[in-house]
Amino acid sequence: AQTVTQSQPEMSVQEAETVTLSCTYDTSESDYYLFWYKQPPSRQMILVIRQEAYKQQNATENRFSVNFQKAAKSFSLKISDSQLGDAAMYFCAYFGNEKLTFGTGTRLTIIP
Amino acid sequence: SAVISQKPSRDICQRGTSLTIQCQVDSQVTMMFWYRQQPGQSLTLIATANQGSEATYESGFVIDKFPISRPNLTFSTLTVSNMSPEDSSIYLCSVDLTGSYEQYFGPGTRLTVT
Repeated sequence: AQTVTQSQPEMSVQEAETVTLSCTYDTSESDYYLFWYKQPPSRQMILVIRQEAYKQQNATENRFSVNFQKAAKSFSLKISDSQLGDAAMYFCAYFGNEKLTFGTGTRLTIIP
Repeated sequence: SAVISQKPSRDICQRGTSLTIQCQVDSQVTMMFWYRQQPGQSLTLIATANQGSEATYESGFVIDKFPISRPNLTFSTLTVSNMSPEDSSIYLCSVDLTGSYEQYFGPGTRLTVT
């Protein structure tokens, strides 16, 4: 079974600074998809970014980028120019075998 | 993207009763998913619901406890049966809009069982 590990239960960053959230996963598959989701206090799950395992190029969405290391099974999220609205729980997720498996989440606090 | 709605948004229920949660999408989708998020926890997949077939349940979840209906391509329901306080959670539905493995989530239903 696939497992997703987020080793940082909580992180904080000064507004306008950069923060990196870590995620590792375990799988025997070669073709899969990885995602980062954001869940603010409203509890709405919001898709932040996706990465296809067959692509070597790291995905980027505006201030959000990933560092995908397939051999190391690592998938970190970098948030640049952090804003107050970035405060949320961030979940790393792996899609394989027709299902999405989530990590335990990292609570990100933005310090004004 | 799509608009995904859930009803009710929250409810407080007595133990031993049942609650049916509705999930409505404004476009036709093949695959819909139901998740449970226990307090302070991550999301766990309950089942996958495809239109025209029986839902596929994950380990630890059974149809008698969480019956699911999927009558058409825009709607699904999840019933939480014979509730106990341990069922207090947020229940979320999601859809795969494009077959690209991205899932988009409804706003969730916060259930409290007393």
